[in-house]
Amino acid sequence: GIQVEQSPPDLILQEGANSTLRCNFSDSVNNLQWFHQNPWGQLINLFYIPSGTKQNGRLSATTVATERYSLLYISSSQTTDSGVYFCAVERGGSEKLVFGKGTKLTVNP
Amino acid sequence: IAGITQAPTSQILAAGRRMTLRCTQDMRHNAMYWYRQDLGLGLRLIHYSNTAGTTGKGEVPDGYSVSRANTDDFPLTLASAVPSQTSVYFCASKPEGGLLGDYGYTFGSGTRLTVV
Repeated sequence: GIQVEQSPPDLILQEGANSTLRCNFSDSVNNLQWFHQNPWGQLINLFYIPSGTKQNGRLSATTVATERYSLLYISSSQTTDSGVYFCAVERGGSEKLVFGKGTKLTVNP
Repeated sequence: IAGITQAPTSQILAAGRRMTLRCTQDMRHNAMYWYRQDLGLGLRLIHYSNTAGTTGKGEVPDGYSVSRANTDDFPLTLASAVPSQTSVYFCASKPEGGLLGDYGYTFGSGTRLTVV
């Protein structure tokens, strides 16, 4: 099956710092999403981005489908950004969203 | 507010008991899914439904059953709970295609189940 690798596994930042999270995937996909799982366990959809670039406030994401990777950028990080960030992909006809192991982000005040 | 509602939020269940986790969405999404999240194993698909009246098995279907009588509801049943089914369960849905071309999954808030 398709493999999804995220890096780094852990990231500790001071409030105000910027960061880049990476997601590599092993096959072509028709769906790629970034999720934030907050400390309360909720999975929040950040971006649906099978290709191209999107921005939402301090967050932006870029997927280069031909090279099979996606990047999530967090600028001016805040303590509320803490949690685990998951990349998830779906191949056409697979009926399954495959998750990476996540990047655990801790933003300290 | 449009989204997915899961109930209960958490539950402690005696082994051998029957339990149904409820999931309701109000977005008129055709496809719905049940995932379980376990430390070190990530999120794994249990069952899915592409449309009302149809269901399919995911990666870890054993011990679970689902039904899809209508578009909005997708309950997950544990016929006879075992401790290995202790997990956090997430329901999700996905549209055929949104106005903005957003085909992304939406997840509920989860049900934390402990089987003792």
